[in-house]
Amino acid sequence: NAGVTQTPKFQVLKTGQSMTLQCAQDMNHNSMYWYRQDPGMGLRLIYYSASEGTTDKGEVPNGYNVSRLNKREFSLRLESAAPSQTSVYFCASSYPGQGSYTFGSGTRLTVV
Amino acid sequence: RKEVEQDPGPFNVPEGATVAFNCTYSNSASQSFFWYRQDCRKEPKLLMSVYSSGNEDGRFTAQLNRASQYISLLIRDSKLSDSATYLCVVLSGNTGKLIFGQGTTLQVKP
Repeated sequence: NAGVTQTPKFQVLKTGQSMTLQCAQDMNHNSMYWYRQDPGMGLRLIYYSASEGTTDKGEVPNGYNVSRLNKREFSLRLESAAPSQTSVYFCASSYPGQGSYTFGSGTRLTVV
Repeated sequence: RKEVEQDPGPFNVPEGATVAFNCTYSNSASQSFFWYRQDCRKEPKLLMSVYSSGNEDGRFTAQLNRASQYISLLIRDSKLSDSATYLCVVLSGNTGKLIFGQGTTLQVKP
């Protein structure tokens, strides 16, 4: 089925460990996004990629890096995980400037 | 002040009730408006777009008041399956990105 696939679905890290969250879409969308969702805070944009080869910071980029590997794939890396990065992470994709985003099923990350 | 503000609720209503959610946005340059639905521990999904003229999709009606910077969602004849969190979403005129409200939780009781 067409959509956005995120891996892993769950992860527990120790403080200071690194990891990469993977995201791939097969909807031929140009734009891709990484959000985090925390209780009472709503979804906040971490990084986005308007098109292949470009990436830009969102509202909460500190502690993260991203790579737009090709049109399909957009990864999010935590170089040195901190407990404040415990959250649910969602990847999404869309056509540029459109409000209809397709989200992946999320990654639940706990940093201890 | 948050760019998109919603009452988090929860709204607890009986089946068959009519319930309305409101949302305000602060940036007058905002271009487009949407309601997304998010089920517990699931990803958000687009419910409907919101047009200046108002729009209806079955039991759901969305309205926009640009002068007051206010968006609403009305659900008639509530079903148990309507229980979810409803996210008010604005397409920022400054960044071209979606800005999400924190969501309003609806619980429909039998």
